[in-house]
Amino acid sequence: SQTIHQWPATLVQPVGSPLSLECTVEGTSNPNLYWYRQAAGRGLQLLFYSVGIGQISSEVPQNLSASRPQDRQFILSSKKLLLSDSGFYLCAWSVLSGYNEQFFGPGTRLTVL
Amino acid sequence: KNEVEQSPQNLTAQEGEFITINCSYSVGISALHWLQQHPGGGIVSLFMLSSGKKKHGRLIATINIQEKHSSLHITASHPRDSAVYICAVTSMGRAGSYQLTFGKGTKLSVIP
Repeated sequence: SQTIHQWPATLVQPVGSPLSLECTVEGTSNPNLYWYRQAAGRGLQLLFYSVGIGQISSEVPQNLSASRPQDRQFILSSKKLLLSDSGFYLCAWSVLSGYNEQFFGPGTRLTVL
Repeated sequence: KNEVEQSPQNLTAQEGEFITINCSYSVGISALHWLQQHPGGGIVSLFMLSSGKKKHGRLIATINIQEKHSSLHITASHPRDSAVYICAVTSMGRAGSYQLTFGKGTKLSVIP
């Protein structure tokens, strides 16, 4: 069966510090991968998605970046965090289909102080 | 771009009550999803449907494609049903890829 992991689970970082969040998927090959952010009181916002190694599409211009160095690994990064980067970050995967049913990881709660 | 609206935003119910959460969207879709987000943050897929009605235990989801509307019903609600329920739709995004658009969620609290 497929599983998706994210770490860390929680993170408190000062403004201006770098960020690296990792997501890995097991039990499937060539998944579509997604990074979402959920700010307090708001819906899920798609940040990045990837259909293959090295292929990243950005949905929202910001100081975050994503990379996919391996088929089942997706990394969200920032060189300098802003206060507005605080939120709940979710990674998800799907297979290529017209229904796009996505399966979510446990999430990382990021607080920027 | 698809717009997804959910109602109500917040809902408090007594244990045992019948609950309905509504979702409407603006553009044609290939599928609609109902998700449950637990207080700890994890998201679980409850239903994926493109027509008609589906039932899992006490949960029922219906969709009316012509009216661009879906409902999630919970029968005999229980405190463990307390969670945020999120509606999401699959439609064609930029560059011809299928993407999800999410509603803001409905926070349900079931009181014993």
